Amino acid sequence: NAGVMQNPRHLVRRRGQEARLRCSPMKGHSHVYWYRQLPEEGLKFMVYLQKENIIDESGMPKERFSAEFPKEGPSILRIQQVVRGDSAAYFCASSPGTTNEKLFFGSGTQLSVL
Amino acid sequence: GNSVTQMEGPVTLSEEAFLTINCTYTATGYPSLFWYVQYPGEGLQLLLKATKADDKGSNKGFEATYRKETTSFHLEKGSVQVSDSAVYFCALAPAGTGRRALTFGSGTRLQVQP
Repeated sequence: NAGVMQNPRHLVRRRGQEARLRCSPMKGHSHVYWYRQLPEEGLKFMVYLQKENIIDESGMPKERFSAEFPKEGPSILRIQQVVRGDSAAYFCASSPGTTNEKLFFGSGTQLSVL
Repeated sequence: GNSVTQMEGPVTLSEEAFLTINCTYTATGYPSLFWYVQYPGEGLQLLLKATKADDKGSNKGFEATYRKETTSFHLEKGSVQVSDSAVYFCALAPAGTGRRALTFGSGTRLQVQP
């Protein structure tokens, strides 16, 4: 069984461009979480989604960031007009149900903003 | 709010040495506590967990005991191997079912030398 797949592994963008990060959850999982890890810091929760619904976006910056998890296809984390402070590792995790005690993480996307 | 503090790394040990990675937390009520491990190039994997005071989580020779009185969940292993080299994250899940996001520490890198 494939695990949580994130792509790309590395993404380089110039200031002002858009970044799109993709996450395919494990088969059968309908809950997706996005976390961000800044250099020398722990993982910070961003958003929790179920299919076609945003359940908790309390960790998302108010501007430029958005996330979706459509009925078909991967979850997308979109960052518009990137700035250097957006440079970080972005991790996606999925779970089969509403419990947060069975999270499976992807390998992350390293975003570098030049 | 909730927070997790873990010792800074890197921790460098010789093979077969005893390992302790300290973790303390701040939270209301009785959170669940976790240790996750991230091997090079991979996503985070759940290593062990404890859901109530005095519980001991264990896996692959690693142990951690949920200490409510000291708000701690230190990770220990009696004899480390080179293959244990990784980054270790302590995390908590808030009590109750309202908020499902995990709060992570900043991670501790372990390097085991042969």
